[in-house]
Amino acid sequence: QSALTQPASVSGSVGQSITISCTGTNSLVGTYYLVSWYQHHPGKAPKLIIYDVFKRPSGVSDRFTGSKSGNTASLTISGLQAEDEADYYCCSYENSDRLSVFGRGTKVTV
Amino acid sequence: EVQLVESGGGLVQPGGSLRLSCAASGFSLSHYWMHWVRQAPGKGLVWVSRINSDGRTTSYADSVKGRFTISRDNAKNTLYLQMNSLRAEDTAVYYCARDKLPMEVWGQGTTVTVSS
Repeated sequence: QSALTQPASVSGSVGQSITISCTGTNSLVGTYYLVSWYQHHPGKAPKLIIYDVFKRPSGVSDRFTGSKSGNTASLTISGLQAEDEADYYCCSYENSDRLSVFGRGTKVTV
Repeated sequence: EVQLVESGGGLVQPGGSLRLSCAASGFSLSHYWMHWVRQAPGKGLVWVSRINSDGRTTSYADSVKGRFTISRDNAKNTLYLQMNSLRAEDTAVYYCARDKLPMEVWGQGTTVTVSS
């Protein structure tokens, strides 16, 4: 099974910017714009914050920005706030059946 | 208000079965593909299964293929996950998620514990 690789943890101070990478081992991340990002506070429902690499759902802060270069997608959180402390997961698809796969998650500490 | 509420979790012995439900409110389930995603204790999110809007097309992660069955009753606005031959490694919080934007709406989850 292919995988999406994320750093285990990233930290920053209030007001700073941080970037979380998500590298795919198959060509789907690089070929198609089908990467999404989820924010997950423990004990709560995960929340979609970025889809199709760089699009934001209605109501999501513009401090969250998605991008992609080659086989690596990235999530940038600018103007870091205390409430951004959470786990962040990238998600894409593997193989021709387009089965969903999540990265292992990145713990963001503010 | 758009809402998904999971139920049916609990403690079950290895080899046992459990059926999870995901009740939708505030929208018609029949218009959406749906997913089940799980999170084992201390671990990350893992995609489990997906079903299309009319229930005719389903997909599964390799780890549950042949043991779990996803289904839906659009008339009851409810999604299901039948879990058979449960193993300790199936212990997790199970979430259902609606798919128009990818997994755009999630429930709060229901906890499944597989232990003797």
